[in-house]
Amino acid sequence: QSALTQEASVSGTVGQKVTLSCTGNSNNIGSYAVGWYQQISHGAPKTVMFANSLPSGIPDRFSGSKSGTTDSLTISGLQPEDEADYYCSTWDYSLNAHVFGGGTKLTVL
Amino acid sequence: EMQLVESGGGVVQPGGSLRLSCAASGFTFSTYAIAWVRQAPGKGLEWVSSINTSGYTRFYADSVRGRFTISRDSSKNTLSLQMSSLKAEDTAVYFCAKHSSGWYTDGFDIWGQGTMVTVSS
Repeated sequence: QSALTQEASVSGTVGQKVTLSCTGNSNNIGSYAVGWYQQISHGAPKTVMFANSLPSGIPDRFSGSKSGTTDSLTISGLQPEDEADYYCSTWDYSLNAHVFGGGTKLTVL
Repeated sequence: EMQLVESGGGVVQPGGSLRLSCAASGFTFSTYAIAWVRQAPGKGLEWVSSINTSGYTRFYADSVRGRFTISRDSSKNTLSLQMSSLKAEDTAVYFCAKHSSGWYTDGFDIWGQGTMVTVSS
């Protein structure tokens, strides 16, 4: 069981807006910045968001937000190439470890 | 271009040892914390270990503590993971990941392509 909780699957049509969530507690998301990682077909992960800031080269249809112990990744104007697994992660000070969510499989219909 | 390239993966028998390496380029290696993250077949990402800039502070997942040792050589821009007493459940692709700062509590911004480790008799 993962320390961070993500939806198992989310789907949307091209052009739609979808939001993926990542829920933790005060020991992790409530205290540290969250990273979001995109993985296509079990290839190398790619960072698409960290601390609600876009890394260089990531399209601005990706955005992030945080409320308490829940972090969210929103994709506005969904594209076929956005179909992937998305993982959230952050540090947990009670575990002295990085923790990952179980991942959300995003399907673009 | 910032890049991480892993090597050293392979097939090893249960109880055996293996050493993974990660060669870094395109950034000032000594100023960033670095980590290993793994992914078992069909499973999600699992953090394995992180090391700070000096190499003196290291953290491990409970599943590998006491069996794996992370180290770095900033003169060679290289990260290593010495794995011993390997178990079948250590079978995974091992990714090298750069933390976004010198703090190991920060997330990851650059990832390697991964190297496969298979523990099987």
